[in-house]
Parts: sequence; C-alpha cells; structure tokens
Amino acid sequence: GAVVSQHPSWVICKSGTSVKIECRSLDFQATTMFWYRQFPKQSLMLMATSNEGSKATYEQGVEKDKFLINHASLTLSTLTVTSAHPEDSSFYICSARDPRGLGVEQYFGPGTRLTVT
Amino acid sequence: DAKTTQPPSMDCAEGRAANLPCNHSTISGNEYVYWYRQIHSQGPQYIIHGLKNNETNEMASLIITEDRKSSTLILPHATLRDTAVYYCIVRQTGANNLFFGTGTRLTVIP
Repeated sequence: GAVVSQHPSWVICKSGTSVKIECRSLDFQATTMFWYRQFPKQSLMLMATSNEGSKATYEQGVEKDKFLINHASLTLSTLTVTSAHPEDSSFYICSARDPRGLGVEQYFGPGTRLTVT
Repeated sequence: DAKTTQPPSMDCAEGRAANLPCNHSTISGNEYVYWYRQIHSQGPQYIIHGLKNNETNEMASLIITEDRKSSTLILPHATLRDTAVYYCIVRQTGANNLFFGTGTRLTVIP
C-alpha cells in the first residue's frame, strides 16, 4: 500500500511554544490530506481537511488560528500547534487519500505524540 | 455517513479465526464498508473495503450481508500481532474523510 510518513514521531515542548508536525506522502501525490487527534483511550477525531493550494477546512470546535495547516505541495502538509498548552498534549495523526486506485483508500501516518509541559 | 455499531471488545485464541461483526443498518446504496485497525500508539492501517460483494485480500476477508445492513471482518488465522482496535466505517463514494467510531478491541490470546 501507499506510504505516509510523519515527523517528528514524538515531541516535548514547553507551554507557550509552537510545534510543527510534517506529514508526507512518499510514493503518491495527495491533493487531500487529513489531520486527526487522538486522546488516550479515545477514538480518532478529525480536526481538519487539508487541500493542496487552498485553505484547510476545519471541523466544528477546532480553532483554526491555533492549529495552522499548510498544504503547499502535493506531498507535504504541515500542522503547527501555536502557543501550545498542556491540554494540547495528544497523539496527532495525518492521513492522505491515494488517488491512484479507486480513489477511496486513505492511508495513515504513524502519528506524532505531542507532550506539552 | 451511516453510523456503525461494533462490540467494544473481543478475545480470540491464537491460530483461530477472528470474526469481528459490524452493524450498519442505515447504510445507503452508495456507501462502502471500510475496515481499519490501529495497533497501540500507531496510525490506523487499512485492511479492506467493499460495497456489496464479499472481498478477500492477503490480510482478511470481508463478508457483507445481502441486505448490506451488517458485515463481518474475518482474520483467518489470528496471531498475537493482530491485537489491535478494529474500526468499521461506512463512507460514500468520493467522500473525503473517515469518521471513526469506538471500534472493537481485539485481543489475541496465546
């Protein structure tokens, strides 16, 4: 299957700082990528849909000014958590839709564990 | 997207078949059934998907009832590495995102 990578795999930052997480589709071009957040023992919650060359679409309740998403190329989307606070500590997962098959398979990255101290 | 209902947890003996049920009684005609799994602290892994016919790949088989209101994911010979949370999701053709429910936590027992 297609490969999606994330960097870093884990990060610890101090409260008030910003953290950038990268999501890359390694062997296909993804016009659409997605960002999810997962708290311990909970399911994945979609945060936003990232479209190459246009603004991201955020789910209700997700602050677009706090979670900045940039999808500048067909293989890279970034999520920046600005002014991070301990409650932002979570597992952040990106995914990308592979258009080469039926256009229905969505492949996920390995996730980034963010800890804000 | 139609909602799905899955049992919260299941156990399966190593080497036996694991049969994971999913109810999607409100599924509409253009919605596919997808299965993903998530091993602890990893991103979800695509397993299989289908519309109305049964499907099989190297990982699993998907059995969809004739009325499409339920389906079963079958792992033919479960191993310890199959211990994970399994998510059943229905989604319209061409729709972008996936909405995850609570899934079934499958524990494969030695």
